[in-house]
Amino acid sequence: DAKTTQPPSMDCAEGRAANLPCNHSTISGNEYVYWYRQIHSQGPQYIIHGLKNNETNEMASLIITEDRKSSTLILPHATLRDTAVYYCIVRVGLYGGSQGNLIFGKGTKLSVKP
Amino acid sequence: DTGVSQDPRHKITKRGQNVTFRCDPISEHNRLYWYRQTLGQGPEFLTYFQNEAQLEKSRLLSDRFSAERPKGSFSTLEIQRTEQGDSAMYLCASSPNTEAFFGQGTRLTVV
Repeated sequence: DAKTTQPPSMDCAEGRAANLPCNHSTISGNEYVYWYRQIHSQGPQYIIHGLKNNETNEMASLIITEDRKSSTLILPHATLRDTAVYYCIVRVGLYGGSQGNLIFGKGTKLSVKP
Repeated sequence: DTGVSQDPRHKITKRGQNVTFRCDPISEHNRLYWYRQTLGQGPEFLTYFQNEAQLEKSRLLSDRFSAERPKGSFSTLEIQRTEQGDSAMYLCASSPNTEAFFGQGTRLTVV
């Protein structure tokens, strides 16, 4: 079963920041937080991941609370093309022989509106 | 295009027929995963390969399902005696270490 809890849906105005929350209260010390998104009829797309520090890349920022029990994915300037289902996943690191398969929940359906 | 490639993109088959899907991972990615996704649900893990070795199979993978990855490159997923409940999107992903890269999937419809 997925180890994360996300709201089923969210709306965001185009050009505004989209803040997608995720709860992972049972996360273990060796588990990373990953975010993927899935645009309709396409395969999931990797966005970002982190262990305990905040991370930023060209797509998004990931803010992880100090106790690591929750995180927020931030899309700084949402566009209509960001409309998708966003999945928050916790996953052990791939080193040390872990296979690293992703366990998806139902995600958050983000609708970006003009 | 150097991404994960899946073939075919769509397959319609009659109940009871066998089907086979192919996945070509990104070159030199040693990890390969198969997932299944039904409408409104997130992808569900089916099986995992590291190079040519199939290291884990989900209990979702019944005896009618078989996957191979000869020579540790492309992979095939075969479903024998298809049932209507097998209708889904079948996704393949490959990974070098951290992030996994997914293909566009094969949408199977069993009629």
